[in-house]
Order: sequence, then C-alpha cells, then structure tokens
Amino acid sequence: NAGVTQTPKFRVLKTGQSMTLLCAQDMNHEYMYWYRQDPGMGLRLIHYSVGEGTTAKGEVPDGYNVSRLKKQNFLLGLESAAPSQTSVYFCASSPRSSNQPQHFGDGTRLSIL
Amino acid sequence: AQRVTQPEKLLSVFKGAPVELKCNYSYSGSPELFWYVQYSRQRLQLLLRHISRESIKGFTADLNKGETSFHLKKPFAQEEDSAMYYCALSDSGGYQKVTFGIGTKLQVIP
Repeated sequence: NAGVTQTPKFRVLKTGQSMTLLCAQDMNHEYMYWYRQDPGMGLRLIHYSVGEGTTAKGEVPDGYNVSRLKKQNFLLGLESAAPSQTSVYFCASSPRSSNQPQHFGDGTRLSIL
Repeated sequence: AQRVTQPEKLLSVFKGAPVELKCNYSYSGSPELFWYVQYSRQRLQLLLRHISRESIKGFTADLNKGETSFHLKKPFAQEEDSAMYYCALSDSGGYQKVTFGIGTKLQVIP
C-alpha cells in the first residue's frame, strides 16, 4: 500500500495564479484533512472531509477550497495564490474512530512569489 | 476549546542523557492523545498514543489527567532521535478533530 500520496511535491507560483494539490489514499479511510505547516505554528487545519461529497472548514480556510468527489481523493485548491500561502501542505487520512491515528503524506512545498 | 501546548521549540540534549518533551493540554472531555514524529525529510508518523500504553523506540508517555499533561520521555537519548515531535489531541466528537501543538525540535548532540 502506498498510504497517502500527495502531488506535486514542490511548486512555485506567482501571485494570483491558481493551482490544485491532489491527495490520494488507498486505505479506505473515511476522514481526510489538509494542513499547512509553518515555522513556529505547528500544523493548522485548513479543511477536512468526513466522507465522499462532504467538506468542512478548519482553522484557517480562507483562500482555499476543497473537493472530495471520490472517497480516496481530496483536492485542495488555491484560486488566487498569495505570498502568505507559502507553506508546506500536508494531507492526512484516518478511519472514523477517534482513537485511531492520522496517516500523513510526504507534503507539498509551495512557494508563492 | 481544545488546546495543546508544547512549551519548548527546541530541546538539546547530549547522547545518553534523559529526554523529556513536555506537552500540556486543555480539553473538557476525555482526551485521546498522541505523539507524532517527523524525521528530517520524512513525513509525520505516529510515535505512540496514550490508549496503547506502549513503548516505541524507547519512548514512553503517560497521561496525567490531574496535571493535564502527556510528556514524552526516554531514559537515554540516541542521535537518531533527533527530529520534530508533535503532541496531538483528538476529541471524541462527531469527527476526529485533532489539535496539534507547535512542535518541539529535539537535537541530540553526539
């Protein structure tokens, strides 16, 4: 099993450009998450999904949109990239139970110029 | 609101010395607590969770509800322990909302 796979691994954008980050998991997990990781701020939840066709806002959702059309995929979109969105983005998935850990992807390093 | 506090951004210890990474939490219910580790250039991965009461790579963590703490300990640090460590709290509500601390970078000096 590949677990959680994120594409791309690196990307450089110009301010105002748009892009989509893809997360795929092969563990049949119900829950999926997008986080951003910034120095001194740990991991902050952007959006999450508790199942196919459902998404919800996390702690820092502004400037991002998500979609979960298939259970195994969770897409994170930046409609108009801003320098403040320069970060490392992590996708994670987990089973429904609260005492089960999250499984993370390798991360996407995104720079906005 | 649930909150996780890791008071130290950086902890430097000598090889062979004991390690304690501090984690305090704020949560009104019964928490599920985890420690995740991120080695250099690798993905975050689960180190241990309180419900399992296990020892992984020599690390242990005990949930102290009175002090609302879940400190991570290891009696003798090894160079390969150098990494970022994140304490995390999961609620038992409708979805698995997980709150992460800001992380502590452990540096083991040879």
